[in-house]
Amino acid sequence: DVKVTQSSRYLVKRTGEKVFLECVQDMDHENMFWYRQDPGLGLRLIYFSYDVKMKEKGDIPEGYSVSREKKERFSLILESASTNQTSMYLCASSPPGTGGYEQFFGPGTRLTVL
Amino acid sequence: GESVGLHLPTLSVQEGDNSIINCAYSNSASDYFIWYKQESGKGPQFIIDIRSNMDKRQGQRVTVLLNKTVKHLSLQIAATQPGDSAVYFCAEQGGYQKVTFGTGTKLQVIP
Repeated sequence: DVKVTQSSRYLVKRTGEKVFLECVQDMDHENMFWYRQDPGLGLRLIYFSYDVKMKEKGDIPEGYSVSREKKERFSLILESASTNQTSMYLCASSPPGTGGYEQFFGPGTRLTVL
Repeated sequence: GESVGLHLPTLSVQEGDNSIINCAYSNSASDYFIWYKQESGKGPQFIIDIRSNMDKRQGQRVTVLLNKTVKHLSLQIAATQPGDSAVYFCAEQGGYQKVTFGTGTKLQVIP
């Protein structure tokens, strides 16, 4: 089974702090994604990566950056956390050949910014 | 069906009955349409997909119907069980690696 793990289930940070969210997958997937999930808004794509050191902006990249130094690890960075970034953050990975639509998700990190 | 807004649409179904979850999509050029299930405290889980050139696809206890004329997608769950209680998301894949998710429908199974 594919396993996608996220470094924290719950995180509380203060406004202005730099926040790192880590995601690791163990299935050698090329593609990795970061989403945020908010009530009534579904999942919105922040960034995705289709290879090491490659990244593409999603629908809401403002205020975020990403890093992919190793194939199995995809990090989401909040350079200066703000209260409107309080959300559930979901990481996913997908194998090549499916067009990226069959995604395997981690359990999520619920981030609260005070 | 799914809609944009602050309140999640909820479907309540008696255990053993069939469930139908509806979704309206926006992009006529999408190649694939997908359903995901998200149980409480977990990330979404892929259920089934349908290619844009198909009208119907069946899985284990689930059937997805695609009506391109009215841009409508539905997920039918046969003999709904308590374990089916979750939030269901439809999604569409328009560009490579780009999947757009709907806002979700909550399915409550009444024992």
